[in-house]
Amino acid sequence: QVQLVESGGGLVKPGGSLRLSCAASGLTFSDYYMIWIRQAPAKGLEWLSYIGNGGDIYYADSVQGRFTISRDNSKNSLYLQMNNLRAEDTAVYYCARGRSIARYGNSGPNEYWGQGSLVTVST
Amino acid sequence: QLVVTQSPSASASVGASVKLTCTLSSGHSNYGIAWHQQQPEKGPRFLMIVNSGGGHIKGDGIPDRFSGSSSGAERYLTISSLQSEDEADYYCQTWDSGIQVFGGGTKLTVL
Repeated sequence: QVQLVESGGGLVKPGGSLRLSCAASGLTFSDYYMIWIRQAPAKGLEWLSYIGNGGDIYYADSVQGRFTISRDNSKNSLYLQMNNLRAEDTAVYYCARGRSIARYGNSGPNEYWGQGSLVTVST
Repeated sequence: QLVVTQSPSASASVGASVKLTCTLSSGHSNYGIAWHQQQPEKGPRFLMIVNSGGGHIKGDGIPDRFSGSSSGAERYLTISSLQSEDEADYYCQTWDSGIQVFGGGTKLTVL
């Protein structure tokens, strides 16, 4: 079955950097668009970034210019490079798998979610 | 601007039914949405897609007690025969190209 496992979270100082990874299994990774979402403590879900399979990438305004999404289809992995981190970036970060690009196009809902990785930005 | 709006809370008794609402912003009444469930201390779980025609497509393993429907700019999630484990936050999500939008979530309390 589909599994998404995030890693790379932890404690970082304001202004620091962190790279999150998401290892996917149980799917043909290159067939799907992938997404990063976060959830601040006691808050709702916030979409952060999208990557398709044709170089199409989108970012939320809150992370544009600071975060970079990428994927390595040969490693079935999704990444989120986070630079210039702020206290308000403290959250659980989830990766999610979308739908089949060939069947449904390059946009739609998230059908599978990882378990999340906690990022804490604090001195 | 694409926005989805949810009531912050709902409650119903064990065994009863509850209908949660997600409202699309003006000009977006033909958009589909997805419902996701987040139980306490867990990650979200995809429940279903609800399209503008009222049809819904459920995710893997989602019980028949969960169903979706639509009317105008409103999309609904109905949970029948409520069980204690249905107590959770429920989020609706929509999208436009690669950009996704989440509602603020509805906290469902099962009495």
